[in-house]
Amino acid sequence: DAKTTQPNSMESNEEEPVHLPCNHSTISGTDYIHWYRQLPSQGPEYVIHGLTSNVNNRMASLAIAEDRKSSTLILHRATLRDAAVYYCILRKEYGNKLVFGAGTILRVKS
Amino acid sequence: DTEVTQTPKHLVMGMTNKKSLKCEQHMGHRAMYWYKQKAKKPPELMFVYSYEKLSINESVPSRFSPECPNSSLLNLHLHALQPEDSALYLCASSLGLRGRLDYGYTFGSGTRLTVV
Repeated sequence: DAKTTQPNSMESNEEEPVHLPCNHSTISGTDYIHWYRQLPSQGPEYVIHGLTSNVNNRMASLAIAEDRKSSTLILHRATLRDAAVYYCILRKEYGNKLVFGAGTILRVKS
Repeated sequence: DTEVTQTPKHLVMGMTNKKSLKCEQHMGHRAMYWYKQKAKKPPELMFVYSYEKLSINESVPSRFSPECPNSSLLNLHLHALQPEDSALYLCASSLGLRGRLDYGYTFGSGTRLTVV
């Protein structure tokens, strides 16, 4: 499976946008980019996914570089409830194997 | 119902005990998963079931024995565990429909297992 690289931790102020980067230089044409997050004492939660185009949903936006070697998860207005570990994962189109990397710990300050 | 329910939430067992973890979902998902998560580490995939058949075993020791009795239920039977097996055990499910993109896994809150 192709590997992703994320910063160990990031800090944000409440009600400000947060940009969480992910590098995936060995991504292949059939790899989808998925983001999950894990709040304290909970199981991971699906956030968003994409292939080539930028994607928006009610939780976040996903910006994908033109060469697909990197992507950025954007939380438009961070709240204290967004403090979590954010995982960027590459996944084959029809594979059912979700493999987590180390993730980024996001801290949100009030 | 949009949840994955795991029971029990906490379990303490001795190294000679036999216990089982249970996972249930009623979303019509046909793929179910067991993950193990140690403190401050990412979840590690253990087993994948697709249409009630074991499709992936990530070289998990035989003291962990999964079972999928029907499309809604997934069990993990535990026997002769070691203290290092203490961890959070997470169950997840996804649509798992063959030939279709499967993007949203739904995870339970996990069973916190302590082996003494």
